Amino acid sequence: RKEVEQDPGPFNVPEGATVAFNCTYSNSASQSFFWYRQDCRKEPKLLMSVYSSGNEDGRFTAQLNRASQYISLLIRDSKLSDSATYLCVVNEEVGGGGNKLTFGTGTQLKVEL
Amino acid sequence: DGGITQSPKYLFRKEGQNVTLSCEQNLNHDAMYWYRQDPGQGLRLIYYSQIVNDFQKGDIAEGYSVSREKKESFPLTVTSAQKNPTAFYLCASSMEGQGGNSPLHFGNGTRLTVT
Repeated sequence: RKEVEQDPGPFNVPEGATVAFNCTYSNSASQSFFWYRQDCRKEPKLLMSVYSSGNEDGRFTAQLNRASQYISLLIRDSKLSDSATYLCVVNEEVGGGGNKLTFGTGTQLKVEL
Repeated sequence: DGGITQSPKYLFRKEGQNVTLSCEQNLNHDAMYWYRQDPGQGLRLIYYSQIVNDFQKGDIAEGYSVSREKKESFPLTVTSAQKNPTAFYLCASSMEGQGGNSPLHFGNGTRLTVT
């Protein structure tokens, strides 16, 4: 099982739709979680951190489910400009007391007219 | 404005040549990282540095070398020993090392093509 797993998509949705992505992680000791957005041939950019209580930023809502070991990203009222790849990033404890950031392969979203 | 700068944006090299990718940040971040991204794969960590004059191997360090002589700079050398060097290379920095909760800030990447 991959450490961090995402459905690669693509998710093709009409403008205005609500779309949700999940990201599962295998290490129950993972401590912090992030969603990044990556446009084609560009660098990833932080979209939002994911807090235990869930958090919302405009049309975007991130949630963490520790019991089932997944995080989710919900996008409401999708815009054409939301088309991108969304990367899940997990900060997990590794042996020796260290930590490691692990990236998912990303979920591609295409918002269409 | 503070940020992290990679240069060049595109780089072409012949097989057998070493090449150095530049990464500079003025965010006053302690930690810096190098990742490579290949199609269909997540970002993979090459090297990281939590503090000046110290760095550690990541998951795929073979064929690469780094230095961290200054807080602001973390250059990556792709040596001829790297079997598949063609990739998109991303440099990142964060306020604290991987043990903290601070997110990564990425440079705009260098696309290296080796023929």
